[in-house]
Amino acid sequence: GESVGLHLPTLSVQEGDNSIINCAYSNSASDYFIWYKQESGKGPQFIIDIRSNMDKRQGQRVTVLLNKTVKHLSLQIAATQPGDSAVYFCAENRGSGNTGKLIFGQGTTLQVKP
Amino acid sequence: DTGVSQDPRHKITKRGQNVTFRCDPISEHNRLYWYRQTLGQGPEFLTYFQNEAQLEKSRLLSDRFSAERPKGSFSTLEIQRTEQGDSAMYLCASTPLGDIQYFGAGTRLSVL
Repeated sequence: GESVGLHLPTLSVQEGDNSIINCAYSNSASDYFIWYKQESGKGPQFIIDIRSNMDKRQGQRVTVLLNKTVKHLSLQIAATQPGDSAVYFCAENRGSGNTGKLIFGQGTTLQVKP
Repeated sequence: DTGVSQDPRHKITKRGQNVTFRCDPISEHNRLYWYRQTLGQGPEFLTYFQNEAQLEKSRLLSDRFSAERPKGSFSTLEIQRTEQGDSAMYLCASTPLGDIQYFGAGTRLSVL
């Protein structure tokens, strides 16, 4: 079956360090991936996306890496801040040609220690 | 506020009652999605609309659930004869083209 999963349920980092959150997917047909951040009591907030024809994409303090060979993607957050504390989800989206529905993993909780 | 709006934010109901939630998507977003999220899990797809047409429904959406988007703008999700297992966060998202989905804050349902 299809699934999108994250390797670790919780990641604890020191403020100012870099964070790396991992995600594995099983469907080799997946062509589009999104990272979301969800704070307590709020809906998921878009962070960054990447298409399968790319292997890296950078945003502000965030980088997403995609390795199609091993079906793995990661989210790197530079200089982690207390405001980055949240649950992070990777999601698979087969793109606008299909329904566009998102398939989410279970999430990784990022805890930033001051 | 030009984001996705959901109402109410919280709903407490007794088992067996009917509830209805509303979602106002971002203006001119053609696609609207409903998801359900339980504690500690990622959101799960329920259904989606392209304008006013409901084009896909998940098997999670039992016959007690119905969703509408009558004029291709706001949408409602109704749950009839609620059960305790329906307790969850119900999330709505919209997108213009089917790629990045923008989520509302959700409606948290508690069935007693």
